[in-house]
Amino acid sequence: DGGITQSPKYLFRKEGQNVTLSCEQNLNHDAMYWYRQDPGQGLRLIYYSQIVNDFQKGDIAEGYSVSREKKESFPLTVTSAQKNPTAFYLCASSMQRDTEAFFGQGTRLTVV
Amino acid sequence: RKEVEQDPGPFNVPEGATVAFNCTYSNSASQSFFWYRQDCRKEPKLLMSVYSSGNEDGRFTAQLNRASQYISLLIRDSKLSDSATYLCVVNMSPGGGNKLTFGTGTQLKVEL
Repeated sequence: DGGITQSPKYLFRKEGQNVTLSCEQNLNHDAMYWYRQDPGQGLRLIYYSQIVNDFQKGDIAEGYSVSREKKESFPLTVTSAQKNPTAFYLCASSMQRDTEAFFGQGTRLTVV
Repeated sequence: RKEVEQDPGPFNVPEGATVAFNCTYSNSASQSFFWYRQDCRKEPKLLMSVYSSGNEDGRFTAQLNRASQYISLLIRDSKLSDSATYLCVVNMSPGGGNKLTFGTGTQLKVEL
């Protein structure tokens, strides 16, 4: 089945540790995105990539890093510089040019 | 002014009622628009795209008003299963590309 896979579903880390969230898609989509959602709030764009080896900062990129070495993969690293990393992280992908995005099931990150 | 703005609700309606949500957007150059549905603690899922001519899918009707920069979603004959948060999504990128911006969502509760 085609889709977007995020792993793990739940992740716990100690404060000060970097952590990498996985996102893989087999939809042959060019564009991929990372969003963050906090309780009772909307989705905020962290980073997005429209093509392999290229990515742009979204609205809240500070404390995060990404890579896009393969079309299928867009991992997100939450660094120790991110002040409030505990959140629900959603990865999405879409074909280029004004098309809808499809989401993975998300990763709930808790930093203690 | 927020880039994409929605009334957070909640809208509490009886089963069988008709309910309408509006969403306003700030970028007049926006080219594509969508409604997503998000259930509690789940990923958003595409409900429908919004076309200039308006479109209908069963009990759901979406319309776009470019002059006033808003989109709407109408749900007829509400079902208990329609209870969810409805997210308005706008492609905010000038000149193509695909940077999707989400509203904070409108919560709908359909009651017996």
